[in-house]
Amino acid sequence: DVKVTQSSRYLVKRTGEKVFLECVQDMDHENMFWYRQDPGLGLRLIYFSYDVKMKEKGDIPEGYSVSREKKERFSLILESASTNQTSMYLCASRYAGLGYEQYFGPGTRLTVT
Amino acid sequence: GESVGLHLPTLSVQEGDNSIINCAYSNSASDYFIWYKQESGKGPQFIIDIRSNMDKRQGQRVTVLLNKTVKHLSLQIAATQPGDSAVYFCAETEPPNAGNMLTFGGGTRLMVKP
Repeated sequence: DVKVTQSSRYLVKRTGEKVFLECVQDMDHENMFWYRQDPGLGLRLIYFSYDVKMKEKGDIPEGYSVSREKKERFSLILESASTNQTSMYLCASRYAGLGYEQYFGPGTRLTVT
Repeated sequence: GESVGLHLPTLSVQEGDNSIINCAYSNSASDYFIWYKQESGKGPQFIIDIRSNMDKRQGQRVTVLLNKTVKHLSLQIAATQPGDSAVYFCAETEPPNAGNMLTFGGGTRLMVKP
């Protein structure tokens, strides 16, 4: 089974802090994605990565950056956390060559105070 | 822009009844659709998918119907069980697109009454 893990289930940070959210998948998937999930807004794509060292902006990249130094790991960085970045963050991965299904991690609920 | 949406934000059904969750999409070029289930505190989990060259696809207790004429997608769950209580999302994509990204609907919460 595909396993996507995220470094924290719950995280509380202060405004202005630099925040790192880590995602690791164990199935050698090329594509990885970061979403945020907010009530009434569904899943919105922040960034995605085709493969190692490759990244593309999604629909809402402002205030975020990403890093993909190894194939299995995709990091989301909040350079200076703000209260409007309080959200559920979901990581997903998919195999580039077969279907379009994305496999999701359990999510990180981030609260910025 | 193009979007995927849902008619009913909350659906309450009696245990044992069949459930129907609906989804409307606006991108006529979309040719692949997925239903995800998200239980409380968990990430979305794949349920079933369908390509635009099909009208119907069946899985275990679930059936997805696609009506391309009216751009409508539905998920039918037979003999709904308490474990089916969750939020259900439809998602669509128009391959090839950059990163084969999925566009998600807002979700419908299914509540199963014992």
